[in-house]
Amino acid sequence: QKEVEQNSGPLSVPEGAIASLNCTYSDRVSQSFFWYRQYSGKSPELIMSIYSNGDKEDGRFTAQLNKASQYVSLLIRDSQPSDSATYLCAVNRRSGGSNYKLTFGKGTLLTVNP
Amino acid sequence: NAGVTQTPKFQVLKTGQSMTLQCAQDMNHNSMYWYRQDPGMGLRLIYYSASEGTTDKGEVPNGYNVSRLNKREFSLRLESAAPSQTSVYFCASSEIDTQYFGPGTRLTVL
Repeated sequence: QKEVEQNSGPLSVPEGAIASLNCTYSDRVSQSFFWYRQYSGKSPELIMSIYSNGDKEDGRFTAQLNKASQYVSLLIRDSQPSDSATYLCAVNRRSGGSNYKLTFGKGTLLTVNP
Repeated sequence: NAGVTQTPKFQVLKTGQSMTLQCAQDMNHNSMYWYRQDPGMGLRLIYYSASEGTTDKGEVPNGYNVSRLNKREFSLRLESAAPSQTSVYFCASSEIDTQYFGPGTRLTVL
């Protein structure tokens, strides 16, 4: 099983809809979870982090974490064409001392159609 | 506050040539990382440095060397470039567990 798996996509939603991006991970001792947005030709940009089970909301973005199911998701409400990008799920675990190992999924390409 | 900076932005090499990719951060972070990103492969860790003076291999270290020059700078060296090293290279830094990325270097090896 791959360490971090995401919907392969691409995902296409109309403007104003809710986009739902999903991610599963295999390492049960993972401690922190991140969503990055990457526009074409640009670098990954952190948009959300979540550490505890449940929901975390930031503007139009909601991250959801379920450690028992090893599942993390990102909801984008009122999707805008400017949200069109690849979304990367990343899972972190402590690998000794102050070292953290961050493992990325391959990303899901989201297109929001006007 | 520039965050993480990388030079150069683009580079074309011939097989067998060497080069060094430079990375610097002004956020006073202890940890720094080098990734490569290839289509269909996602981001893969090449090397990382948990603190000044230490470096460790990541998932795909073969063909690369690194130097943590000081707390700010972390360089990646290709001693003898191969076409398989054609990729986009990202440097990142972190304090504790949240990583911030530089703009990337697009490298083509012919």
